[in-house]
Amino acid sequence: DAEITQSPRHKITETGRQVTLACHQTWNHNNMFWYRQDLGHGLRLIHYSYGVQDTNKGEVSDGYSVSRSNTEDLPLTLESAASSQTSVYFCASRDRLTDTQYFGPGTRLTVL
Amino acid sequence: AQKVTQAQTEISVVEKEDVTLDCVYETRDTTYYLFWYKQPPSGELVFLIRRNSFDEQNEISGRYSWNFQKSTSSFNFTITASQVVDSAVYFCALSEAGGSYIPTFGRGTSLIVHP
Repeated sequence: DAEITQSPRHKITETGRQVTLACHQTWNHNNMFWYRQDLGHGLRLIHYSYGVQDTNKGEVSDGYSVSRSNTEDLPLTLESAASSQTSVYFCASRDRLTDTQYFGPGTRLTVL
Repeated sequence: AQKVTQAQTEISVVEKEDVTLDCVYETRDTTYYLFWYKQPPSGELVFLIRRNSFDEQNEISGRYSWNFQKSTSSFNFTITASQVVDSAVYFCALSEAGGSYIPTFGRGTSLIVHP
């Protein structure tokens, strides 16, 4: 079955370190998204991509970057992790036919 | 700009009660989609339903039903005869043609069903 996976599922890192969160989908969806979820804020969009070599900033993109070298993967990089980036991160891909997003299982990131 | 409001932060019910989760949206687009997602305590986000702006028919799926009313810009979700397994955070979302169909999510309603 096609799916969307994220790794690692849990990560603890230190302030200032570079961290990369992986997202991989096997649906062949062109559109992929990264969100962070924090109490009181719901889901906030970090970055998104409409296809290979395309990346766009969302509402909370500062301190994050993404790259899209193939259809299946959209890794999210925290260039220099900050405690404010402690959060749960969700990757999603969108089925263009139904305009429905499907989410990965999430990555819980703790920055100490 | 699109906006989704879920005014109920938390709802607590006893098993077998019916419960309605409210969702009010704002959009200037005539073409848009509305969604509900469920986030159980395990943390994953599960897609429940999608409704497009041209289809105001109510939907029923087992104990779940959705009432879409454009006149009041609402897309409410009712769980009939609630069960403990329904305990979760429920998110309503809106995507519109003018926003490149990038969804905006409400802040979620936490539903607690007590045995």
